[in-house]
Order: sequence, then C-alpha cells, then structure tokens
Amino acid sequence: SQTIHQWPATLVQPVGSPLSLECTVEGTSNPNLYWYRQAAGRGLQLLFYSVGIGQISSEVPQNLSASRPQDRQFILSSKKLLLSDSGFYLCAWNPMAGGPYNEQFFGPGTRLTVL
Amino acid sequence: KQEVTQIPAALSVPEGENLVLNCSFTDSAIYNLQWFRQDPGKGLTSLLLIQSSQREQTSGRLNASLDKSSGRSTLYIAASQPGDSATYLCAVKYDYKLSFGAGTTVTVRA
Repeated sequence: SQTIHQWPATLVQPVGSPLSLECTVEGTSNPNLYWYRQAAGRGLQLLFYSVGIGQISSEVPQNLSASRPQDRQFILSSKKLLLSDSGFYLCAWNPMAGGPYNEQFFGPGTRLTVL
Repeated sequence: KQEVTQIPAALSVPEGENLVLNCSFTDSAIYNLQWFRQDPGKGLTSLLLIQSSQREQTSGRLNASLDKSSGRSTLYIAASQPGDSATYLCAVKYDYKLSFGAGTTVTVRA
C-alpha cells in the first residue's frame, strides 16, 4: 500500500530564516506531487505541483520554491521566511497513470509558525 | 477560474440525525469531485471520489451526489455519531489541480 510522509510535523522559525520541508511517498512510482498551504481561516491553496523529477509548476508567485530531486521526494524551501508564510503545509500525491481522473491523497501536514 | 463554495460553514446536530453538506462550483468542466474529512491539526482523509460521468458514490453511511450541469454536489451522512465531528471539504479536479471549498465544520452532540 502507498503511504506519504512529511517532516517535520511542527516547526517554529524566526522571520528571515531559511525553510526546508520534506515529503516522501512510498509504494508507488511516478506520482504527481503537490504542495498546498492552509492558512488560518482560509481554504487550501495550491502552491506547486510536479509531474516528474525536476519538473515543477508554480501556482502562486511568492518567496517559496519547490524541488523534486527524486521520483518520490518533494521539497518545499524558502531562503528567507516571512510572517505571512505561517500556516499548515500539506503534501499530496496521485498516481500518474489515469491522468486527471485519479484520487488525490494527502500527508499528515507540517505546522509552520514564523515569529 | 474555478470557485468552490460550501454551505453552511458550520453545522451542529444531535447524535443520530442525518447530515447534509452542500458544495457548489462555477465551472462544470471538471474531471471529478472529491470529498475529504479533516480533523483539527491533521491532514485530509479522502472520503469519496465521484467522476464527472457519475451521479453518486456510496461508502458505508456516506453518500455523495453530483449534478455537474448545475455545478452542485451533496454529501449525506446517515445516522450521525460524535466521531463524525470534523471539517468536511469538497474539491473539484480540473486540469491536474484540485480547487477546494472552505469547508463545513460539523459538530455532532452526544
């Protein structure tokens, strides 16, 4: 069966510090991968998605970036965090096969607080 | 741009009552619609997936309907239990992306 992991689970960082959040998927190959952010009182916002190694599409221009160094690994980064980067970050995946008709599955999330 | 709306934003019912959660979307050109459950501080758990060609899907006490032409979906939860208390999110798939509603927070009183 497939599982998705995210770490760390919680993170408290000062403004201006760097960020690295990691997501890995087990039990599948060539997944589509996604990063979402859920800010307090707001819905889920898609940040980045990837259909393969090194292929990243950005949905929202901001000071965050994403990378996919391996097939089942997705990393969210920032060089300098802003207060507005606080939120709940969720990684998600769906199988590549079947195109856009597939069910999407989410990880447990990372709670980021920027002070 | 796809807009997804969920009404009501919050719902409180006594145990045993049936729940009806509504979701509407503006662009009917979707691939599918997915209902999720989110417990406080947790990730999303997929409940039901309805393809655009389907009218409904059922899983246990959960039943979801889809009327793509009118841009509406309804999630029914039969005989609610305190353990059903959570936030329920609907999301529509267009292109390779999901567009989410803001959710309905459900409280089932024992």
